[in-house]
Amino acid sequence: DAGVIQSPRHEVTEMGQEVTLRCKPISGHNSLFWYRQTMMRGLELLIYFNNNVPIDDSGMPEDRFSAKMPNASFSTLKIQPSEPRDSAVYFCASSFSTGFNEQFFGPGTRLTVL
Amino acid sequence: SQKIEQNSEALNIQEGKTATLTCNYTNYSPAYLQWYRQDPGRGPVFLLLIRENEKEKRKERLKVTFDTTLKQSLFHITASQPADSATYLCALDAGLADKLIFGTGTRLQVFP
Repeated sequence: DAGVIQSPRHEVTEMGQEVTLRCKPISGHNSLFWYRQTMMRGLELLIYFNNNVPIDDSGMPEDRFSAKMPNASFSTLKIQPSEPRDSAVYFCASSFSTGFNEQFFGPGTRLTVL
Repeated sequence: SQKIEQNSEALNIQEGKTATLTCNYTNYSPAYLQWYRQDPGRGPVFLLLIRENEKEKRKERLKVTFDTTLKQSLFHITASQPADSATYLCALDAGLADKLIFGTGTRLQVFP
């Protein structure tokens, strides 16, 4: 298995532009998580899905952020409009939901908003 | 609200020694706790899980303890090697399905 796949790996954009991050979870996993990591705040959960349904989006910073999971093998995180404070590394992770299982992380997308 | 604290400063130890990392939490009683390793430029990688009814868990050179009275977990790496240098994150069950809350991590540096 290729593991969790994220694209792009790096994204540089200007303030005000729309940014879309993509994630392909591990086949067979039914939970998917989007995290943001910064030096100041560490690894923060933004939203997570179970069986393609959003379960908890309390970590989504504001309305500029949205996430979708149209099917079991694909998810997107969109920021519109982007701001410099959104600069961070965004990770996608997946797991097979049993309540105790480990999460498998992708390589991350490093986002820089100028 | 739930709060997790890990050694905020880097931990520097000599090769062959035992590294001990601390994870303290407040305002919460997690059912389990996980430890992850993160290398620069990569995503975290799962190492160990320990449940609230387990005092200790071992895996090769790794040992994790879980003291629900002290609200603390200790993560030990015995016979440490330079290859163990990384950031180590503890993560607590957040009480909602598979949701985890991560600590900010402790950077470990093992020098020869």
